[in-house]
Amino acid sequence: GAVVSQHPSRVICKSGTSVKIECRSLDFQATTMFWYRQFPKQSLMLMATSNEGSKATYEQGVEKDKFLINHASLTLSTLTVTSAHPEDSSFYICSAREYGSNQPQHFGDGTRLSIL
Amino acid sequence: RKEVEQDPGPFNVPEGATVAFNCTYSNSASQSFFWYRQDCRKEPKLLMSVYSSGNEDGRFTAQLNRASQYISLLIRDSKLSDSATYLCVVGASGGYQKVTFGTGTKLQVIP
Repeated sequence: GAVVSQHPSRVICKSGTSVKIECRSLDFQATTMFWYRQFPKQSLMLMATSNEGSKATYEQGVEKDKFLINHASLTLSTLTVTSAHPEDSSFYICSAREYGSNQPQHFGDGTRLSIL
Repeated sequence: RKEVEQDPGPFNVPEGATVAFNCTYSNSASQSFFWYRQDCRKEPKLLMSVYSSGNEDGRFTAQLNRASQYISLLIRDSKLSDSATYLCVVGASGGYQKVTFGTGTKLQVIP
C-alpha cells in the first residue's frame, strides 16, 4: 500500500527556533500534499494544500510567512515553522495523494511539536 | 451548514454489537468518499473508499446515498480494537480534488 513517511516524529525546542518537518511519499508520486494541525481532543485542521511545483494554498487564518511550505518534487514536501512559539505546539500531520479522481489521501505518522 | 457533518458521539457499544454512523455532505457535486479511522494521538488511516454501489470489507460496509447526500459506515460484530474516531471524507471532482474532513465520530467498544 501507499506509504508516507514523516520526519521527525517528535521535536522539542526552545521558543524562537525554526523547525522543519519533512513529508515523503515512498512508493507513489504525490502530486498533491496536505498539511494539517491537530490540537488535543480536537479535529484535524487543514493548514495548506500544495500541488507539486506550485505555491501552496493556505487556509484562512494560517500565516504563510509563519508556516513555509515547499513541494519541489513529486515525493517530498516540507513544512517549516518559523520562529516557533509555545502556541505553535501541536500535532502536525502531512498527507499525500496521487493525481486523479477518487484517489485517497495517505497520511504520515505525524510530528509532535513542543515549544518550550 | 458545514460541508461535511458527523455526529461526534461518543457511541458506546458492547462487544459484538452492530453500529452504524452516518455522514452528510452539502456539495452535491462531490465525487469521492472515504472513511478513515484515527486512534488517539495517531494519524488518520484509510479504512475504505465508498463506491456508488456500496462496498464491503470484512465486518465493515460502506454505503453512499447521493439523493440524500450522505454516506454510512456499518460495523458488524464490534471488537474492542474498533474503538477509535471515524472520519468521513468527501472530495470534489477533478484530479487535484479538494477534500473535506468531517470532525469525526468517536466509537468506544465496551467489553
